[in-house]
Amino acid sequence: SQQGEEDPQALSIQEGENATMNCSYKTSINNLQWYRQNSGRGLVHLILIRSNEREKHSGRLRVTLDTSKKSSSLLITASRAADTASYFCATAEGGSNYKLTFGKGTLLTVNP
Amino acid sequence: SAVISQKPSRDICQRGTSLTIQCQVDSQVTMMFWYRQQPGQSLTLIATANQGSEATYESGFVIDKFPISRPNLTFSTLTVSNMSPEDSSIYLCSVGLAGGLETQYFGPGTRLLVL
Repeated sequence: SQQGEEDPQALSIQEGENATMNCSYKTSINNLQWYRQNSGRGLVHLILIRSNEREKHSGRLRVTLDTSKKSSSLLITASRAADTASYFCATAEGGSNYKLTFGKGTLLTVNP
Repeated sequence: SAVISQKPSRDICQRGTSLTIQCQVDSQVTMMFWYRQQPGQSLTLIATANQGSEATYESGFVIDKFPISRPNLTFSTLTVSNMSPEDSSIYLCSVGLAGGLETQYFGPGTRLLVL
């Protein structure tokens, strides 16, 4: 089964607005990570939140994790055109810290 | 962090042929991984490339189709064998660094089109 399902699948906003993307997963996890992919290129790691953490910040990024609901959200504040990309959540399951399962991703378009 | 390069960056191949993709890292790394990203889809782990031993393949992927080499701690290759149009994908390698295996660093990917 697919672990890490993001919604929405696509999101279009104006520069300066905030963008929120959600991720749900099915099994127990060690951590959850968010990655960004620009136009079919390699992935860039954004942020990692461990299963015992509830919220984490990095610059304009804010990630929350609710293990009871098996869900996470990524908030990008004051978005910029350069934030246009696909965003994926990835989970490391069970006893493994490195075998990542990726969600389907959210395509974010930030219009200037 | 780590800087990762892949060759080729893209290729167009005929069905029935094979393509070998190279992944080079600028430092010695413990873990190297190969992923496939089919058009418009997410990433799926193909295998973990182990230095000095056979790769560990995920369900749905076999060594005969995707042979992997890992001759040292900075280099790995993935071969896509006997290609069909269904193999058209982006293939990405990633690495996990010792002491920080949870975060993976990705190469730029190899975009493969099989005709």
